[in-house]
Amino acid sequence: EAGVVQSPRYKIIEKKQPVAFWCNPISGHNTLYWYRQNLGQGPELLIRYENEEAVDDSQLPKDRFSAERLKGVDSTLKIQPAELGDSAVYLCASSPSGNPYEQYFGPGTRLTVT
Amino acid sequence: TQLLEQSPQFLSIQEGENLTVYCNSSSVFSSLQWYRQEPGEGPVLLVTVVTGGEVKKLKRLTFQFGDARKDSSLHITAAQTGDTGLYLCAGARSSNYQLIWGAGTKLIIKP
Repeated sequence: EAGVVQSPRYKIIEKKQPVAFWCNPISGHNTLYWYRQNLGQGPELLIRYENEEAVDDSQLPKDRFSAERLKGVDSTLKIQPAELGDSAVYLCASSPSGNPYEQYFGPGTRLTVT
Repeated sequence: TQLLEQSPQFLSIQEGENLTVYCNSSSVFSSLQWYRQEPGEGPVLLVTVVTGGEVKKLKRLTFQFGDARKDSSLHITAAQTGDTGLYLCAGARSSNYQLIWGAGTKLIIKP
């Protein structure tokens, strides 16, 4: 069974530019999460989806971050415009229905904003 | 303020030695999970403990959940170089289905 797929793995952009990350969760997993992880820290939840509905986006900086999961499968996370402080690893995770704590993570996208 | 404190933040030991890392909180969790993360990869779930006082073993790794469900420990016996990684604990609160993450313990096992 394929794991959570993320692309790109690495991205370097200049500040004020837009950037987008893509995630394909494990087949059949209805719950999808986007996390941000800074160096030396644990993951920080940005948004959680149940199917196509964003059920927890309280930690998402909505002035510059947006996310979508149109068909309840793949998801994209966008930053526009990027700031220097957005440099981090962006992780996508998914979990099966009924077990939100059994999360499977993708390899992440390492974003560097210069 | 970190709701889950992990200690030590960094640990470097020789292969074959034993070690224990800790995950502490003043909050009660419905369950607690341990993950290992290697460089360039996402965290991988190792174990979930649910019951206060519960002990789970995964080969040379022993996980314990505190009686009051506020803390947990991970003990590794005869560490191997393959145990190197960032060990993260995450506490679950059933009220909002959110995991509270610690900052991790970076473990290096030297050959």
